[in-house]
Amino acid sequence: NAGVMQNPRHLVRRRGQEARLRCSPMKGHSHVYWYRQLPEEGLKFMVYLQKENIIDESGMPKERFSAEFPKEGPSILRIQQVVRGDSAAYFCASSQSQGLDEQYFGPGTRLTVT
Amino acid sequence: RKEVEQDPGPFNVPEGATVAFNCTYSNSASQSFFWYRQDCRKEPKLLMSVYSSGNEDGRFTAQLNRASQYISLLIRDSKLSDSATYLCVVSSNQGGKLIFGQGTELSVKP
Repeated sequence: NAGVMQNPRHLVRRRGQEARLRCSPMKGHSHVYWYRQLPEEGLKFMVYLQKENIIDESGMPKERFSAEFPKEGPSILRIQQVVRGDSAAYFCASSQSQGLDEQYFGPGTRLTVT
Repeated sequence: RKEVEQDPGPFNVPEGATVAFNCTYSNSASQSFFWYRQDCRKEPKLLMSVYSSGNEDGRFTAQLNRASQYISLLIRDSKLSDSATYLCVVSSNQGGKLIFGQGTELSVKP
């Protein structure tokens, strides 16, 4: 039973390029969460999605960041026009149901902006 | 004030020691509580959920005091493999979103 899968594991982008991070939840999980961990900082919530719906995007920066979880395929976190401050580890988690359920994390995508 | 606050680390202990981590949270409406561990900035791994009645899993015991908004984790008979950063985690009262403490680093020495 595969866990949460994320790809790519490492991504290097130059300033101004776009970054696309993918997350496939655990089998049987329909809730996906994205978190960001900046260097030397704790994990911070970004967005919570169910299939085709954004439930909570209170942690998303107002500009350049977007997320989707289509009916078919993985969840995508998209960062347009990346800047050096976007360099971080981006973790995806999934849960079976909303809220009180335990969340299981993928291995993360380490984004480096040069 | 941070929503979830943990003991500052690092904790350096010998093998076999008992070590306790403490954590406080600010939102009294928080509903779920967890301890995760994170190794060398890899993904957080769920260690255990924390219940009001307290719960134990082998060498690990977690306690929750809702009145004091306080969570603890006790590790008995520390092993070298317990070396990691321990994250106190609270779910928001809206559900879904997890709020992480900064983490406490534990280093178990031979």
